[in-house]
Amino acid sequence: AQKVTQAQTEISVVEKEDVTLDCVYETRDTTYYLFWYKQPPSGELVFLIRRNSFDEQNEISGRYSWNFQKSTSSFNFTITASQVVDSAVYFCALSEIHSDSSYKLIFGSGTRLLVRP
Amino acid sequence: GAGVSQSPSNKVTEKGKDVELRCDPISGHTALYWYRQRLGQGLEFLIYFQGNSAPDKSGLPSDRFSAERTGESVSTLTIQRTQQEDSAVYLCASSGDRVDEKLFFGSGTQLSVL
Repeated sequence: AQKVTQAQTEISVVEKEDVTLDCVYETRDTTYYLFWYKQPPSGELVFLIRRNSFDEQNEISGRYSWNFQKSTSSFNFTITASQVVDSAVYFCALSEIHSDSSYKLIFGSGTRLLVRP
Repeated sequence: GAGVSQSPSNKVTEKGKDVELRCDPISGHTALYWYRQRLGQGLEFLIYFQGNSAPDKSGLPSDRFSAERTGESVSTLTIQRTQQEDSAVYLCASSGDRVDEKLFFGSGTQLSVL
């Protein structure tokens, strides 16, 4: 069965610090997709990134970067030079294809990031 | 519409009453999810609709919970005989029909059971 673990419940950093949010997943499938979503204080979840299981290239988007390592079943998210506006709850999620071609997206419990000025 | 719309945004009810929560997905989106988010917690999968396939109901916590969807349009989540532990934000999301599609979320319905 698919499972996503975000061991860090809450992280507090001072502005301009770098911070890494951990995500470890479990799946029995070889084809799956990993996602990160952001939930700001306003509440509405926003998509950040998607990665498929065959693409282990790391990705950088501005201050955000993602490190996907199949060997350790991890998909970690790093924010460089954090800003107060980065304060939010961040969710890692996994979608795997089942034998009947169905799939569903399962979320981790989230990591609350607080960036202090 | 432009985004996923949920109504009501807030619902206060008494223990034992039934409630209906509505979700209007983005037009053309075949996949629709319901999640529950308790205060300070993660997203708990409830149910998933994909086109005309049988829904995946594996996340519904009890038989008091049910959901319907007419074709690829509106979905209704019904909670019968509400309990205080049902208090949470109920989030709806929709997407296209591929496994790698990103989800678009609604603003949620805050349900409070007194």
